[in-house]
Amino acid sequence: SAVISQKPSRDICQRGTSLTIQCQVDSQVTMMFWYRQQPGQSLTLIATANQGSEATYESGFVIDKFPISRPNLTFSTLTVSNMSPEDSSIYLCSVYQVTEAFFGQGTRLTVV
Amino acid sequence: GQQLNQSPQSMFIQEGEDVSMNCTSSSIFNTWLWYKQDPGEGPVLLIALYKAGELTSNGRLTAQFGITRKDSFLNISASIPSDVGIYFCAGRGNEKLTFGTGTRLTIIP
Repeated sequence: SAVISQKPSRDICQRGTSLTIQCQVDSQVTMMFWYRQQPGQSLTLIATANQGSEATYESGFVIDKFPISRPNLTFSTLTVSNMSPEDSSIYLCSVYQVTEAFFGQGTRLTVV
Repeated sequence: GQQLNQSPQSMFIQEGEDVSMNCTSSSIFNTWLWYKQDPGEGPVLLIALYKAGELTSNGRLTAQFGITRKDSFLNISASIPSDVGIYFCAGRGNEKLTFGTGTRLTIIP
């Protein structure tokens, strides 16, 4: 299985600021996925990040709010911009190996 | 986004009991995956199913890929304290995963 490291593991941020979350994978992967898990809820896909092209965002998520970088085949970042308390969630990155999806440990974000 | 219907939403059982949960969808999936999530952690893959009708076991866990490709179930036999957590099903049709709403398992002492 892929080993996925996310940084930071948690953070408490002031509203109006931005936080960049890093995701590092131990092998090269074509696609990386970013999810949001709101408190007590399931996982919702934010966007799919391919190396060398713009990320593809799901309905309800926009690039201005969640810019994503994918500079190479093992790394991606997700920025949560102009944060509000409603952005308090766990943010997870994920990759596929064959048909199975593996997840990082998540970044628990609290916006105050 | 779309989510799968997962039931039950929560379960309170005694140690040693068997557990059963299921997911249903209006869409057909090519792969069904079952995950467990502990507090403060990302989901961990338990079982993957690739073919309609497939029945797969992983220790005390057994999962089946429904014959219609629109449902799946997970059974846990002889539950133990470390089974506590939230279980999610996920279906994969194309490149994306769609997650179930989760089943929170609590073991009563």
